Amino acid sequence: EVQLVESGGGLVQPGGSLRLSCTASGFSFSTTWMHWVRQVPGKGLVWVSRIRNDGSNAIYADSVKGRFTISRDNAKNTLYLQMNSLRAEDTAVYYCTRDNYYSPDYWGQGTLVTVSS
Amino acid sequence: DFVMTQSPLSLPVTLGQTASISCRSSQSLVNSDGNTYLTWLHQRPGQSPRRLIYKVSNRDSGVPDRFSGSGSGTDFTLQISGVEAEDVGVYYCMEGKNWPITFGQGTRLEIK
Repeated sequence: EVQLVESGGGLVQPGGSLRLSCTASGFSFSTTWMHWVRQVPGKGLVWVSRIRNDGSNAIYADSVKGRFTISRDNAKNTLYLQMNSLRAEDTAVYYCTRDNYYSPDYWGQGTLVTVSS
Repeated sequence: DFVMTQSPLSLPVTLGQTASISCRSSQSLVNSDGNTYLTWLHQRPGQSPRRLIYKVSNRDSGVPDRFSGSGSGTDFTLQISGVEAEDVGVYYCMEGKNWPITFGQGTRLEIK
């Protein structure tokens, strides 16, 4: 069974940093591209970042470029999102998703990030 | 950037009726490899999204056959034939091949 479990969310002050993790199981993580997608509670889905299976070619939404870094450790079956210089508008639930045919087929339960003083 | 526009944004439906959701892209979604990477997702209240359809019309395992996707180029449709109570929630279309990856605004389906 495919499982994606996010962790690392919480309350952080504006300008602060946070690292999200996503632990994957039930599939071949090292051969799969992965994404981060976020959602302000009650609002729509917004794509954040994608990374290829070998850790190359990371791409980002303009809104987070230069502040967020996606990475992965295939030996640990874990995806990361390092978030720096956080802003109030980064407040959202962050989902880790698996890519299949350029499409997110499995989603984690999400982790809430709140940026507030 | 691609813009994905869904309509309607709110869709009240009677149980057993057929519901249709439209998704229009600002540019053709036909990729240079010949494929069209249009996806439909469903998010029930309080849950994570779930993929229903990928590459326009391919239904995921476990998705009831009352869900069907169609379309080409810039115009796509998700049809639910015989809406059931469990179908409530928000439906999103998205395009996943081009940067930035783009979601539609979402269509909220509710039971009348």
